[in-house]
Amino acid sequence: DTGVSQDPRHKITKRGQNVTFRCDPISEHNRLYWYRQTLGQGPEFLTYFQNEAQLEKSRLLSDRFSAERPKGSFSTLEIQRTEQGDSAMYLCASSLSRGRKAGANVLTFGAGSRLTVL
Amino acid sequence: KQEVTQIPAALSVPEGENLVLNCSFTDSAIYNLQWFRQDPGKGLTSLLLIQSSQREQTSGRLNASLDKSSGRSTLYIAASQPGDSATYLCAPQSGAGSYQLTFGKGTKLSVIP
Repeated sequence: DTGVSQDPRHKITKRGQNVTFRCDPISEHNRLYWYRQTLGQGPEFLTYFQNEAQLEKSRLLSDRFSAERPKGSFSTLEIQRTEQGDSAMYLCASSLSRGRKAGANVLTFGAGSRLTVL
Repeated sequence: KQEVTQIPAALSVPEGENLVLNCSFTDSAIYNLQWFRQDPGKGLTSLLLIQSSQREQTSGRLNASLDKSSGRSTLYIAASQPGDSATYLCAPQSGAGSYQLTFGKGTKLSVIP
């Protein structure tokens, strides 16, 4: 397994356009998280899936944001009608739920997808 | 709402020194606490996870302690090396059915050769 993969690594778009990010987690991990990070700040929680179910959503996730994890494998994060304030690094992470193997609950992060909205 | 503070915000030390990074959090009802490092422009790399029932966890030159009741954790780095230069982030993980991690802003460490 090559870890958590995110695509694209960089995206530049014009305000008002839609963008979609993809995350491929570690195959045996049942939990998947999306975080957003701006310069000089720690990552902020956006949403979390256990298998295909979206169990938690932050208030940061406005109605312009939607995330899916069909079949409990890869996940997509779509931002509609992008605004300049959406410019950030979007980080995906995955983990095993507790009670399984050693290393449960340790989050493995991808390299991130950097969004620039002009 | 969980709030996490990390002190200092930045730290510069000569190679070989031992150092301590501090993390405090407001809600002690946590499931675990994780420490990560982040290199510029990159994702996060997990360093240590301390369960809420544990007092400390060690990995190589790193030792993390947890005092859940007082809402504090420390990361001790022994014999620092230039390759340790990065931003270090702590993140308590909520319990009670929520599994989100709340991150501090991090401590930016520079180890000078």
